[in-house]
Amino acid sequence: ETGVTQTPRHLVMGMTNKKSLKCEQHLGHNAMYWYKQSAKKPLELMFVYSLEERVENNSVPSRFSPECPNSSHLFLHLHTLQPEDSALYLCASSPSDGSSYNEQFFGPGTRLTVL
Amino acid sequence: LAKTTQPISMDSYEGQEVNITCSHNNIATNDYITWYQQFPSQGPRFIIQGYKTKVTNEVASLFIPADRKSSTLSLPRVSLSDTAVYYCLVGVLRGGYQKVTFGTGTKLQVIP
Repeated sequence: ETGVTQTPRHLVMGMTNKKSLKCEQHLGHNAMYWYKQSAKKPLELMFVYSLEERVENNSVPSRFSPECPNSSHLFLHLHTLQPEDSALYLCASSPSDGSSYNEQFFGPGTRLTVL
Repeated sequence: LAKTTQPISMDSYEGQEVNITCSHNNIATNDYITWYQQFPSQGPRFIIQGYKTKVTNEVASLFIPADRKSSTLSLPRVSLSDTAVYYCLVGVLRGGYQKVTFGTGTKLQVIP
């Protein structure tokens, strides 16, 4: 248990559906991250929010839309996805006060399948 | 960001010490070296972090030579539950968030 929760844990959706992934942390961290992990590939950083402001967007298609309403919550809105978007989506958070350099706390992930 | 290079896979028998070396030739002065462990269908979990020389905690040791262009994660007396993918990262805190890149990792298989 890392203190980072993600819901749902599993999601199956059609290409025309709209769904959202939710991430929540109560660790007092100010930075939150979305990663994508496809089968047999390394984790790919998608988005980073620091103090609720998006600071990184790594060339992610517009069918993925992040939202950070406050420092404890992060969403990833999905619409018109493709089958190749099927992957494990991981959320992470980290402190921004320098107390734990480079330690990110990961959630358990959402296993997404796009049909 | 500094790129890291690790062996793709390693096998070890239970009870042995395992050393996984990571190369990071372009590490920057302010970069830290961090290792994570990931089990299938779970998020990575922090193992250990260091800047230079040697760091030890309850689960592992991290050896970093003076030039910091490589690092070695040492797992003492591995068990079957240590079968996982191990990632080496280098990065730094910038602007309140962490700038790191995950590589392909090393898949460790512990054999009974």
